[in-house]
Amino acid sequence: DGGITQSPKYLFRKEGQNVTLSCEQNLNHDAMYWYRQDPGQGLRLIYYSQIVNDFQKGDIAEGYSVSREKKESFPLTVTSAQKNPTAFYLCASSIGQGQETQYFGPGTRLLVL
Amino acid sequence: QKEVEQNSGPLSVPEGAIASLNCTYSDRGSQSFFWYRQYSGKSPELIMSIYSNGDKEDGRFTAQLNKASQYVSLLIRDSQPSDSATYLCAVNRGLGYKLSFGAGTTVTVRA
Repeated sequence: DGGITQSPKYLFRKEGQNVTLSCEQNLNHDAMYWYRQDPGQGLRLIYYSQIVNDFQKGDIAEGYSVSREKKESFPLTVTSAQKNPTAFYLCASSIGQGQETQYFGPGTRLLVL
Repeated sequence: QKEVEQNSGPLSVPEGAIASLNCTYSDRGSQSFFWYRQYSGKSPELIMSIYSNGDKEDGRFTAQLNKASQYVSLLIRDSQPSDSATYLCAVNRGLGYKLSFGAGTTVTVRA
């Protein structure tokens, strides 16, 4: 079964803690993305990667970091610098030729304790 | 001005009726347009993509694109209760990889 997996489904963060959200895809896609969704709002782009070992900041990168060491994996770290991290985090991937459809994983809901 | 704007909703339609969703965008260089459906608590799933002016039909869904007027719409014919969801309009930014999303329109189909 080809698809995108995200883990965990729910994640709780304590003050001052860094947490890492996992995203894995077996679609052989080159491009991967991280979005944040707040209630009643559209998706906002955090980071994206067009190819292994390269990534670019999106619109709201402050307080987040990513790595892309493998084609299949694009983990997102929410650092303690992100003061309002409570949101629904969505990972997506696409073929990697630009302008094509992005496919989404099931999401991780991050809550602050 | 927001990059992508959708009619605010919520939109309530009776079962069997047509639901009409509208989306306008600001970037004249945009070439790719997408409609996603998102059920409550779930991730978005692709309904339609459209790249050329005119209509594109897929089952009960029809996407309409007018680049000159910078709008894209989605019609849902013979609406079913299972169509109750939030519909997100997404527009590619110029020739690149990034998508801009509207805030979504919530549709409720009442039996």
